[in-house]
Amino acid sequence: NAGVTQTPKFRILKIGQSMTLQCTQDMNHNYMYWYRQDPGMGLKLIYYSVGAGITDKGEVPNGYNVSRSTTEDFPLRLELAAPSQTSVYFCASWTGVNSPLHFGNGTRLTVT
Amino acid sequence: AQSVTQLDSQVPVFEEAPVELRCNYSSSVSVYLFWYVQYPNQGLQLLLKYLSGSTLVKGINGFEAEFNKSQTSFHLRKPSVHISDTAEYFCAVSDEAQGGKLIFGQGTELSVKP
Repeated sequence: NAGVTQTPKFRILKIGQSMTLQCTQDMNHNYMYWYRQDPGMGLKLIYYSVGAGITDKGEVPNGYNVSRSTTEDFPLRLELAAPSQTSVYFCASWTGVNSPLHFGNGTRLTVT
Repeated sequence: AQSVTQLDSQVPVFEEAPVELRCNYSSSVSVYLFWYVQYPNQGLQLLLKYLSGSTLVKGINGFEAEFNKSQTSFHLRKPSVHISDTAEYFCAVSDEAQGGKLIFGQGTELSVKP
């Protein structure tokens, strides 16, 4: 099984550009999450989804949007990139029963 | 709101020595605690979790942690570390049992030297 797959692995954006970070899982998990990781800050929750068609804000949602049209995919959209969005982004999924979060390998984004 | 503090940002240790990574959390009526490990250029993997029951929790790779409600701590320990334990370790808390909405600590970088 591939688990949670994130693309791209790396990306450099100019200020004001937009992009979509892709996340796909093949485990049929209902719950999916986007976290950002900044040095010395741990991970912070951006958005999450409890199933197709349902999304909600996490701790740091400003500057981001998400959609969940299928169980498998949970893309994260940056509309107007800012230097403060330079970070490593992790997507995760969860079954909702007695199992851990499954993380992807991350997308390293630099905004200059 | 929940919060988590990892008291050490970096912990250097020699191979085969014991190690303790410290974690304190803000008090709450019910709390669920986790330790995750992140190897270089990878996502996070669950080491262990405390949901209820025994306060001593055993995880993978020989790690264990003790939930101490009176001190609001959940320190991670290993009696003898290996070079391959070099990684970043994150303590996390949730107010939902087994939930994915986690509040993470700042992380502790464990560096095991030969």
